[in-house]
Amino acid sequence: AQSVTQLGSHVSVSEGALVLLRCNYSSSVPPYLFWYVQYPNQGLQLLLKYTSAATLVKGINGFEAEFKKSETSFHLTKPSAHMSDAAEYFCAVSERTGGFKTIFGAGTRLFVKA
Amino acid sequence: NAGVTQTPKFQVLKTGQSMTLQCAQDMNHEYMSWYRQDPGMGLRLIHYSVGAGITDQGEVPNGYNVSRSTTEDFPLRLLSAAPSQTSVYFCASSESTGSYGYTFGSGTRLTVV
Repeated sequence: AQSVTQLGSHVSVSEGALVLLRCNYSSSVPPYLFWYVQYPNQGLQLLLKYTSAATLVKGINGFEAEFKKSETSFHLTKPSAHMSDAAEYFCAVSERTGGFKTIFGAGTRLFVKA
Repeated sequence: NAGVTQTPKFQVLKTGQSMTLQCAQDMNHEYMSWYRQDPGMGLRLIHYSVGAGITDQGEVPNGYNVSRSTTEDFPLRLLSAAPSQTSVYFCASSESTGSYGYTFGSGTRLTVV
């Protein structure tokens, strides 16, 4: 069964500092991997996705993530945090066949200090 | 371009009442799913559908029913509401290959008293 673990329920960075949000997955077959962002009182928006092309994936708002099969990881990074990045971030894994069942991690809330 | 529309946005139910959360999408997506979001637990999959007439259980299906009679609609029914079902519910849809990720609705905040 597939699963997702996000390390750290809360991460705090200073404005302009590197953002690193960690995600490890478990899947019996190479999965699709996603990062979503949720701003307060809103639904989730897709940030970026890995679907087996390049292992370094670029998304919206300057975020990127690297798929590392040997480490079963898909960490999200951004070189320089902005106040507007403060939100909750979710990593998700889905099967490539049989129904696209998508499982989400518990989420990491990012705080950005001025 | 409405995307995924959920109604109602807010609802208060008494224990034992039943209700249906509505979800409709206008993107001709094959895949649709219902999730509940609770603090510290992320999103948990309740039920999902890979097309009209086909549904399956997710991680937390107990107490919920779904049906998919059309591509556009995927209602979630609470048969007998319990306080443990107090949550924010999200409907999401995706095209059939699954590689584009989900489009989410804006959610329904449900309180069961």
